[in-house]
Amino acid sequence: GIQVEQSPPDLILQEGANSTLRCNFSDSVNNLQWFHQNPWGQLINLFYIPSGTKQNGRLSATTVATERYSLLYISSSQTTDSGVYFCAAGGTSYGKLTFGQGTILTVHP
Amino acid sequence: EPEVTQTPSHQVTQMGQEVILRCVPISNHLYFYWYRQILGQKVEFLVSFYNNEISEKSEIFDDQFSVERPDGSNFTLKIRSTKLEDSAMYFCANPRTDTEAFFGQGTRLTVV
Repeated sequence: GIQVEQSPPDLILQEGANSTLRCNFSDSVNNLQWFHQNPWGQLINLFYIPSGTKQNGRLSATTVATERYSLLYISSSQTTDSGVYFCAAGGTSYGKLTFGQGTILTVHP
Repeated sequence: EPEVTQTPSHQVTQMGQEVILRCVPISNHLYFYWYRQILGQKVEFLVSFYNNEISEKSEIFDDQFSVERPDGSNFTLKIRSTKLEDSAMYFCANPRTDTEAFFGQGTRLTVV
């Protein structure tokens, strides 16, 4: 099955800084999603992005499917951005998602 | 925006007891999934359910687990005889109109 690796595993920032999180996947995908897991454990959808670039406020994401990676950009980080960011990939339409290990982001005021 | 709803939010059970976790999907999409997350670890796929049948399951999903759609709308995940290592957050998920999966808020299961 698909292997998903995320980097870095941990990231500590000062409020206002920018960051880039990376997700590498081992095979072609039909589904690539980014999630933010909040302190209550909820998985919040950030982006559905099997290819191309999307932006939503301070967050944007780019997936280069031919090179099998995706990037999540967070600009002007805020303390509320803290949490775990997961990338998940699926190889077939409506198939299971394979999650990466996550990036733990801590934003200090 | 409608959400995937899971109940209960937290359940504590004694080892060996049966537990039933419930989920109301956001849509009538034919696909439905269960995942679990052991504390501090990544989210792992358990089982996918398509048109009222299991379409794929992981090696975690052994004979102790079962999934049902008892009333045509809700979904359940049953663990027949819980073990300490079943303690985890359990998520259900289903797509809306495309392949993007939306997750419920999770049920935190603690086996003591």
